[in-house]
Amino acid sequence: GAGVSQSPRYKVAKRGQDVALRCDPISGHVSLFWYQQALGQGPEFLTYFQNEAQLDKSGLPSDRFFAERPEGSVSTLKIQRTQQEDSAVYLCASSPGTRYEQYFGPGTRLTVT
Amino acid sequence: QKEVEQNSGPLSVPEGAIASLNCTYSDRGSQSFFWYRQYSGKSPELIMSIYSNGDKEDGRFTAQLNKASQYVSLLIRDSQPSDSATYLCAVNAGNNRKLIWGLGTSLAVNP
Repeated sequence: GAGVSQSPRYKVAKRGQDVALRCDPISGHVSLFWYQQALGQGPEFLTYFQNEAQLDKSGLPSDRFFAERPEGSVSTLKIQRTQQEDSAVYLCASSPGTRYEQYFGPGTRLTVT
Repeated sequence: QKEVEQNSGPLSVPEGAIASLNCTYSDRGSQSFFWYRQYSGKSPELIMSIYSNGDKEDGRFTAQLNKASQYVSLLIRDSQPSDSATYLCAVNAGNNRKLIWGLGTSLAVNP
C-alpha cells in the first residue's frame, strides 16, 4: 500500500511569508506526528494527533506554528511569518492505533531566505 | 527531562564485520524501543522494534534490550557498505505515543 506522502517536497519562502505543509498518512493510521529535523540532529517533536484531536502540541516552537487534522486523515502544518530559523526538514509520521511504530514520509525541506 | 543518548560516532567498521550501536534512555517507564536508519537526505526508516528484555533478531539485525540497565543496542552482522547511514534510537515517553529520539550514530562500512 501507499506510504506517508508529504507535499511540497521543497519549499523556498521569503522571510515573513506564510507556508503550509501537507501530510497524507498511511490509510487507516490513527496517529499522526510532525517533527522538525535540523542537519545532523535527530527529529524534534512538534505535535501529535490522534484522529482529529491534537493531543500534544508541546513541541511547537512558537505561536507562529499551527497544525490541524480536521477529518482525522490529512494534516497541515502552517507556519506564519516565517523566519530564517524555521529553515529545516519537516517530517510527518503516522502510526496505527494498536502499535507505537511510526512510519515517516519523505519530508519537506523548507528554506527561508 | 527524559533523554535518549547515543554516541554520535562516526563508527567505522570493515565490510563483513559486526557493527554495534548503543543507546541509553532515562525514563524507566518506557516500554517501546525502536531503531531507525536514516540515509543522508532521506527520512528515517524503521528497521527494528523491541518491547521485551532480551534479543530480537531480524535477518542481519539483532536488537538487544536491558530494561534494568536502561540500555538498548543494535547489532548489524556481515556489515555492508549499503549499511552506511545514521542510526537513530527512539523510545516512547511513558504512556504517551510520543517518541523521544537520540541524536543518532553515524556508521561507515568500509569496503
